Amino acid sequence: AQKVTQAQTEISVVEKEDVTLDCVYETRDTTYYLFWYKQPPSGELVFLIRRNSFDEQNEISGRYSWNFQKSTSSFNFTITASQVVDSAVYFCALSDMYSGGGADGLTFGKGTHLIIQP
Amino acid sequence: EAGVAQSPRYKIIEKRQSVAFWCNPISGHATLYWYQQILGQGPKLLIQFQNNGVVDDSQLPKDRFSAERLKGVDSTLKIQPAKLEDSAVYLCASSFPGIYEQYFGPGTRLTVT
Repeated sequence: AQKVTQAQTEISVVEKEDVTLDCVYETRDTTYYLFWYKQPPSGELVFLIRRNSFDEQNEISGRYSWNFQKSTSSFNFTITASQVVDSAVYFCALSDMYSGGGADGLTFGKGTHLIIQP
Repeated sequence: EAGVAQSPRYKIIEKRQSVAFWCNPISGHATLYWYQQILGQGPKLLIQFQNNGVVDDSQLPKDRFSAERLKGVDSTLKIQPAKLEDSAVYLCASSFPGIYEQYFGPGTRLTVT
């Protein structure tokens, strides 16, 4: 069975601080995909990144960076120089590839509520 | 490119009543998913369609929930009869074949009183 754990329920930082959101996952599959989604107060889930299990390269996109470590089953997300607009709930998610060639449904963590104070 | 459309956005019903939600995925997206998100939790997959066939409905409470995707495009999720614990946001998502990220609609917020 798949499981995603986001141990940080809520994080509050002052604007311009760096912040890291933790994600630990469990799966028996050798091929899987990891995702981060952002859910702002408006409620719509916004896709941020997808990572394949066979690609452990870290990725940077502007102020966002992701650290994937298979050895510790972790996929952490760092926001550098945080801004008030980054305030949202962030979800880490996991999916396998099903036999039809697409992605299985996502297994989500419980989310981390990030509050950026001005 | 238009996103995933859902309607209605909000619905309030009494327990034991029935309700239906509609989803129109992004054009060309063959895979469609319905999720239930209870307040304070992450979304939980209810059912996954590939074109008009069901791939996974293992977490769908089939005694009261049903879903269909006629013609492999639009989809409808129905609850009959509703219970208080069905109060949640129902999210529809879609993905393109071979592309693994899912794109979500705005959701339907259901309140059962």
